[in-house]
Amino acid sequence: GENVEQHPSTLSVQEGDSAVIKCTYSDSASNYFPWYKQELGKGPQLIIDIRSNVGEKKDQRIAVTLNKTAKHFSLHITETQPEDSAVYFCAALPHTGGFKTIFGAGTRLFVKA
Amino acid sequence: DGGITQSPKYLFRKEGQNVTLSCEQNLNHDAMYWYRQDPGQGLRLIYYSQIVNDFQKGDIAEGYSVSREKKESFPLTVTSAQKNPTAFYLCASKTAATRANEKLLFGSGTQLSVL
Repeated sequence: GENVEQHPSTLSVQEGDSAVIKCTYSDSASNYFPWYKQELGKGPQLIIDIRSNVGEKKDQRIAVTLNKTAKHFSLHITETQPEDSAVYFCAALPHTGGFKTIFGAGTRLFVKA
Repeated sequence: DGGITQSPKYLFRKEGQNVTLSCEQNLNHDAMYWYRQDPGQGLRLIYYSQIVNDFQKGDIAEGYSVSREKKESFPLTVTSAQKNPTAFYLCASKTAATRANEKLLFGSGTQLSVL
């Protein structure tokens, strides 16, 4: 079945710098890759997603890239702000197998003011 | 406003006790999911349901049970057989399990602790 690895587990950046979180997946049949942001004591919220027919997607300060050949996808946050501090999860959704979303272990991002 | 409501926010379980976590959604979503979150381990799937009166085990179903008698409700029971129940439990839903690209919407979670 699908396995998603996420790095780093913790990331600390200065306000205004960029942050990059990387994930790899194992199942070449996976075709949907969402990213979720979880603030303390709350449920995760979708912030951006990408489908396997697209290489890059941007939404203001957030971008996601996908390399299907290498089975890598990454989240890029530019001009980080203190409110970006949270836990970020990448995920993959296989095209088959009951449509169970498989999550990475999460990255705790700290943005220092 | 439509959304997913989990209750209670905090729950304490005594030794040998069964406890039930509530999850209700008014989004008319077909598919509902229960995830367990432990520090540093991401989200692990306990059970999911694609339609009323039907549900499947996820990756860590042992010690848990669910029911799906109504479309809006998907309660999770943590039984005494679950020896390490302390965790943050998240309920999620989406439009239909067969539409793979639909995003998951999560509730605000229930923190379960053992007394």
